[in-house]
Amino acid sequence: DADVTQTPRNRITKTGKRIMLECSQTKGHDRMYWYRQDPGLGLRLIYYSFDVKDINKGEISDGYSVSRQAQAKFSLSLESAIPNQTALYFCATSDTRTGNTEAFFGQGTRLTVV
Amino acid sequence: EDQVTQSPEALRLQEGESSSLNCSYTVSGLRGLFWYRQDPGKGPEFLFTLYSAGEEKEKERLKATLTKKESFLHITAPKPEDSATYLCAVQKGGAQKLVFGQGTRLTINP
Repeated sequence: DADVTQTPRNRITKTGKRIMLECSQTKGHDRMYWYRQDPGLGLRLIYYSFDVKDINKGEISDGYSVSRQAQAKFSLSLESAIPNQTALYFCATSDTRTGNTEAFFGQGTRLTVV
Repeated sequence: EDQVTQSPEALRLQEGESSSLNCSYTVSGLRGLFWYRQDPGKGPEFLFTLYSAGEEKEKERLKATLTKKESFLHITAPKPEDSATYLCAVQKGGAQKLVFGQGTRLTINP
């Protein structure tokens, strides 16, 4: 089983619909992140969380919200989806307690907004 | 503004033909530079972390090096299975997020 699991893997939704992407991890890491990947733009940070009580905006948080339900779960919501939110979304984790800072990524969710 | 630029955007090599990928960065107080491999439709897979200029790390046919302004990912005698997009990212001291480059798409022809 993957250490960082994202659901769903693929989703097509209509403009204006609310949608939630979920991420769970079994790595025991304290930090979790949501990134968006677009062709030619690379990976961009949407939100990140240091622990259950801590949520921080990334560089492109407008139109998105997140919830850290538990140390192992971090969900991303699009309250009213729009076509330019069509992208590949990745959840990632890192463990700062070890002193290492590398992030580990899930397999991604391909979201299409029509 | 923190910036990461990778070159070339795409590179096509013959099997066994060694080459290097470049990652140049502008960031004050670099905490770490990271290399990832990404296969189509999959999440980035962690390869290396480099922390200070002069540091080198190796894994199979890959070797990553770091200077004060750039990092190189050297690929020695590549095989078709090394085909992927290679991503570089930097973490600034005191910050908790990574800034990614756009990646280099590497294709190794048999």
